[in-house]
Amino acid sequence: DQQVKQNSPSLSVQEGRISILNCDYTNSMFDYFLWYKKYPAEGPTFLISISSIKDKNEDGRFTVFLNKSAKHLSLHIVPSQPGDSAVYFCAASDGDSSYKLIFGSGTRLLVRP
Amino acid sequence: DVKVTQSSRYLVKRTGEKVFLECVQDMDHENMFWYRQDPGLGLRLIYFSYDVKMKEKGDIPEGYSVSREKKERFSLILESASTNQTSMYLCASRPVTGLYGYTFGSGTRLTVV
Repeated sequence: DQQVKQNSPSLSVQEGRISILNCDYTNSMFDYFLWYKKYPAEGPTFLISISSIKDKNEDGRFTVFLNKSAKHLSLHIVPSQPGDSAVYFCAASDGDSSYKLIFGSGTRLLVRP
Repeated sequence: DVKVTQSSRYLVKRTGEKVFLECVQDMDHENMFWYRQDPGLGLRLIYFSYDVKMKEKGDIPEGYSVSREKKERFSLILESASTNQTSMYLCASRPVTGLYGYTFGSGTRLTVV
């Protein structure tokens, strides 16, 4: 059973508009969440993270929101750019001492010019 | 620039062959990981190592083994390759402390025929 779920396999948005990527998790022990971006033929690269003690973290055009009661997080990209087209993975960890990240299945974002 | 280097970008092997996937990191990281990425399944953890000569099974270790004789190198071994092991294999590393997740290699696309 997947502990981290990304229910939308793909998303298409117009350049300049907002992209919202969603992620749900089932394990209430998760306390740290990350988003990774992956281009074809490259490894995933770290994008942004959030600790469970926060409900929002912002870095430039990227903002991650966490709703612990709903076990839901989302990544907002504003404004979206064609270079943002990639696969985005949500990941979770149950603490800094945990060695493992649990990844979702990914959402492929296409930003149309 | 810190790096995780995977020795091969593309590999084609025959069923039953013993396959070695090599990963080297230059960041003096203690933890290293092997994941495989498959469409619709995201990244699934095969094995990880939290220190030299230390290893633990991930979520899908069957058919794989690993070796970590030196801190910088983590090898994934397919004892007898099968067609269901055709996949993208990703190596990652992280320091024992720090909340910024993994650094990934570029991946090895393995095809077993």
